Amino acid sequence: EIVLTQSPATLSLSPGDRATLSCRASQSLSSYLAWYQQRPGQAPRLLIYHTSTRATGIPARFSGSGSGTDFTLTISSLEPEDFAVYYCQHRSDWVTFGGGTRVDIK
Amino acid sequence: QLQLQESGPGLVKPSETLSLRCKVSGDSIYRSSYYWGWVRQPPGKGLEWIANIYYTGSADYNPSLKSRVSVSIDTSENQFSMRLSSVTAADTAVYFCVRERPLYYGSGIDYWGQGSLVTVSS
Repeated sequence: EIVLTQSPATLSLSPGDRATLSCRASQSLSSYLAWYQQRPGQAPRLLIYHTSTRATGIPARFSGSGSGTDFTLTISSLEPEDFAVYYCQHRSDWVTFGGGTRVDIK
Repeated sequence: QLQLQESGPGLVKPSETLSLRCKVSGDSIYRSSYYWGWVRQPPGKGLEWIANIYYTGSADYNPSLKSRVSVSIDTSENQFSMRLSSVTAADTAVYFCVRERPLYYGSGIDYWGQGSLVTVSS
């Protein structure tokens, strides 16, 4: 069973800062890793799929990278609407989610 | 624009069966190459994938829930459903119905319903 561990649990930053979120897998993954953003009271929104492809309508400040067991979501310059919880997700025989990283305002 | 809408009871008694339905509009489940599934989120916690189903009726399940979950699809009504048996308080969650992209589209869950809060309590 693949386990996805996200770190840090909470990231306290200011608008304009660069955010780097980590997703580490318990074993080497295929490239079918995705990232989601969830704002309070809303459903998650797909940001990145296939490790590094931005979903439709997602701003260029969001980027994904990684391979093997280490994957990263980078937000180049935080906008006020980016303060939210982020989840990574992998698809093998079933779907697994990481525990999430909360990005809050410092 | 694709829309997914969950429906079902908001309160279920312990040991009973939770049943939810998801109505799809804006696309045809039958013509689609996508998978249709369920994800849940306990209050204040993270996301847990439950299961998905293809229009052919082929389904995948989360191993931790497989013994209690069944999913079905009704292409004539353009909807799909989930049943979770023998529920306990631990099954209290917001249940989302979702559309999953196939692997050859790069995978990922690109559409989500608004979510339906189901509370398990006597």
